[in-house]
This record gives sequence, structure tokens and C-alpha cells, in this order.
Amino acid sequence: KNQVEQSPQSLIILEGKNCTLQCNYTVSPFSNLRWYKQDTGRGPVSLTIMTFSENTKSNGRYTATLDADTKQSSLHITASQLSDSASYICVVRKGERDSNYQLIWGAGTKLIIKP
Amino acid sequence: SAVISQKPSRDICQRGTSLTIQCQVDSQVTMMFWYRQQPGQSLTLIATANQGSEATYESGFVIDKFPISRPNLTFSTLTVSNMSPEDSSIYLCSARDGNSPLHFGNGTRLTVT
Repeated sequence: KNQVEQSPQSLIILEGKNCTLQCNYTVSPFSNLRWYKQDTGRGPVSLTIMTFSENTKSNGRYTATLDADTKQSSLHITASQLSDSASYICVVRKGERDSNYQLIWGAGTKLIIKP
Repeated sequence: SAVISQKPSRDICQRGTSLTIQCQVDSQVTMMFWYRQQPGQSLTLIATANQGSEATYESGFVIDKFPISRPNLTFSTLTVSNMSPEDSSIYLCSARDGNSPLHFGNGTRLTVT
């Protein structure tokens, strides 16, 4: 069964600290994996995309990793800021061709940054 | 990147009534989609809005309950018909062009009483 599991479900950290969010998937065939950030009351916004051949990709203070062998991805946030408070959603694209693909969504990790 | 305007942003409706949600994209896009998001759960795709033809619905969603229009490449509507409290949720419009990531509106928070 095609699934995307995220952990933890929620996380509270102090401003300035680092954190790592996890995403495990059982999707096949794998096309790519995206991390989205969803602020309260807003739609999700793409942070980064990981393809099969990529292990690590950074976007500012966000660093995503992908281990295609173990089917795991992580999103590391460095020096957290209050504006990082949001839900972070992992999405795996299944399929090989643009015209016939399916997105499998995780339930998200709710991150709260405390001052 | 596409900017998506969705309205209303929220509404409180009575059981048995219908609500139409509008989605306007600031540029022409190939694909438009409607999602439902319930607290603590994954986004669920309701349907793909096809320009000039009937929408493609996912399992568990039917046209009579969620009629969708897409008259052109920048606009779509989703109607939630004959509402019940179980329809209370956030409804999100999204769009993409080619291999771009999905862009989302800010959602419509619907409460059915």
C-alpha cells in the first residue's frame, strides 16, 4: 500500500534551536519527494524537491535529505525562528510519467517555535 | 509562480444548503485541483478540474455532491451540495503548469451547523 508516514506528529522547540522532521514512505514506483510548509490559515508552499539521485539539498536554513534505499527523507531546520512555526508536509509523487502520476500526502508535522 | 485567490476564506452554513467556492489563478495553468484538508490529516484530492470538460473525481467523491466547473484556464469553482456537518473542513484549490510544484490558495474553512 502506498503510504507516507511523518514523525513526530508535533514538536515544540525553543527559538534558535535545530530540529529534524522525518518522512518514511512506501510508494512505488518513486518519482520524487517534496516538502511543503503550511502556515496556519494558508495553503502549502513548496520548500524543496528531492529526486531519486539526490541525497541532500539545502534551501536557506532548511536542508532535506533523501535515502532512496531505505525510503526515508528528513527535513532539518537550523537556528529556528518564530516564523518557522507551521506544519511541514511530505509528499511523494508516484509514477514515472507526467501525465499519469499520483501524489501521496503525509499528515504533516506541526512545529511550534517558542521564544 | 502562480498566485491563487480563493473565496470565501471561511463560511458557516446550515445543513442542507450548498456553498460555491471560487478559485482564480493570475496566469493560465494546465491543471487545477480541489483538495480537502481535515485537522491532523493528509490532504485528500477531491477532483481534477478539466477545462472544457467534466471534472475527474477521486474514489469517494461524486459529481452530484461536489460539482466542479472550469470554464477557462484561470478559473474554477467547487460546490459543496446538500451539506452536512461531516462536510466541515478546509477546501483548497491548487494549480500547476508543466512540472512546476503545486501552488495553493489559502483555503476555504467551512463549518456546517
